[in-house]
Amino acid sequence: SAVISQKPSRDICQRGTSLTIQCQVDSQVTMMFWYRQQPGQSLTLIATANQGSEATYESGFVIDKFPISRPNLTFSTLTVSNMSPEDSSIYLCSVGQGTGELFFGEGSRLTVL
Amino acid sequence: SQQGEEDPQALSIQEGENATMNCSYKTSINNLQWYRQNSGRGLVHLILIRSNEREKHSGRLRVTLDTSKKSSSLLITASRAADTASYFCATAGANSKLTFGKGITLSVRP
Repeated sequence: SAVISQKPSRDICQRGTSLTIQCQVDSQVTMMFWYRQQPGQSLTLIATANQGSEATYESGFVIDKFPISRPNLTFSTLTVSNMSPEDSSIYLCSVGQGTGELFFGEGSRLTVL
Repeated sequence: SQQGEEDPQALSIQEGENATMNCSYKTSINNLQWYRQNSGRGLVHLILIRSNEREKHSGRLRVTLDTSKKSSSLLITASRAADTASYFCATAGANSKLTFGKGITLSVRP
């Protein structure tokens, strides 16, 4: 398994601002994903973070709103841009090693006022 | 779109009892997985069952998969208060991406 650290663990932000969430893994991983979990809901995949190239976004998510970086095999960032209260969610970084299962960070709980 | 649908949505049992949770899905899968989430924290992988497997065990967990009915069940035997959490099934298709169900809230009363 991999140990995944996410920062910040939680934050309260003002409408219209942007926040960058960091995900650090203790080992090189092939796959990194970003999920959103809205209050009381399940997880929705935002995008696959690709090392050295643009992320692959799922339907309903766009790069302008959720820019993602992945400069190497152990680190990725997700930015939530121009936030609105509807962006209040838990954002989760997850990694896969090609065996099928995913390992998750503790999540970043974002509240937008 | 969500693939897995768990039922029941919520389950409350007494410590020591068994808990059974079900998951149904709609399209063909490569594997199905169960995860646990404690109080809005990160998810913990519990068990993975491949499409050519019918049953799998891990400690107090037993998972079954019926691909003809497109359904799976998770059985937790001899439940403990520490098993209180939300449980999600997730399906992986040919592209290996996981699609999560809505989750089941399990409460185990001491």
